[in-house]
Amino acid sequence: KDQVFQPSTVASSEGAVVEIFCNHSVSNAYNFFWYLHFPGCAPRLLVKGSKPSQQGRYNMTYERFSSSLLILQVREADAAVYYCACPLYNFNKFYFGSGTKLNVKP
Amino acid sequence: EAGVVQSPRYKIIEKKQPVAFWCNPISGHNTLYWYLQNLGQGPELLIRYENEEAVDDSQLPKDRFSAERLKGVDSTLKIQPAELGDSAVYLCASSLEGAGGGRDEQFFGPGTRLTVL
Repeated sequence: KDQVFQPSTVASSEGAVVEIFCNHSVSNAYNFFWYLHFPGCAPRLLVKGSKPSQQGRYNMTYERFSSSLLILQVREADAAVYYCACPLYNFNKFYFGSGTKLNVKP
Repeated sequence: EAGVVQSPRYKIIEKKQPVAFWCNPISGHNTLYWYLQNLGQGPELLIRYENEEAVDDSQLPKDRFSAERLKGVDSTLKIQPAELGDSAVYLCASSLEGAGGGRDEQFFGPGTRLTVL
C-alpha cells in the first residue's frame, strides 16, 4: 500500500535546529512537499522538490524515498503540525503523512 | 489575492441529516481537490477535478457522498445521509495546472469542521 510515514511528535527548544523525518513507500513518487498546519487554518506549503532546497528557515533534505524538514532557530510560534506529502509522478495525486506535531520548549 | 474559500467553517448536524460544503478555488486554478481529514491524520483525497471533470473519485463513498463542480470553478461536496463516522475536517485545495507531473503546489482552504451527533 502506498504510504507516507512521519513521527507523530517531535520536541525542540527555542533557538535549536529541529529535524522532522519522512519516508514513503510510494513507488512512483519522486517529490516531497512539506506543509505547515495550524489547526483551524489552511495548511501552507513550506518547501518542496526532488532535491535539497531551502526557503528561509526551512531546509529540505532529499533521498529517493525519504526527506527531512529542518527548521532553523526554532521559535515557540513554530509549534504546529507539519505534514509531509508525496505526489504520484505525472499525476496530481498526493499521499500525505499523518503529520508531526512540533512542541517547542521556551 | 484571495485564497481558497470554504464555507461553512463549522457545521453541527444530527446523524441521518444531509449536509453540504462549498469551495471557491483560487481564480484560474484548473484542479480542485476535496480531502477528508480525521483527527490526528493527514488529509486523504476524496475527489479531484480537472476543470469540471472528476478525474479521480476512487476514494469517494458514492453511496452517501456526492460532489459537483459546475462550470469548472466552485465546487460543492454533499453527504446524505450523514453518519457519526463522518465527523472530520473537510479540506478543499486547488492548483494551477492539470497533469503537472506531481510538481504543482496545492493551495488549501481552512476547511470545514463537521460534527455529526
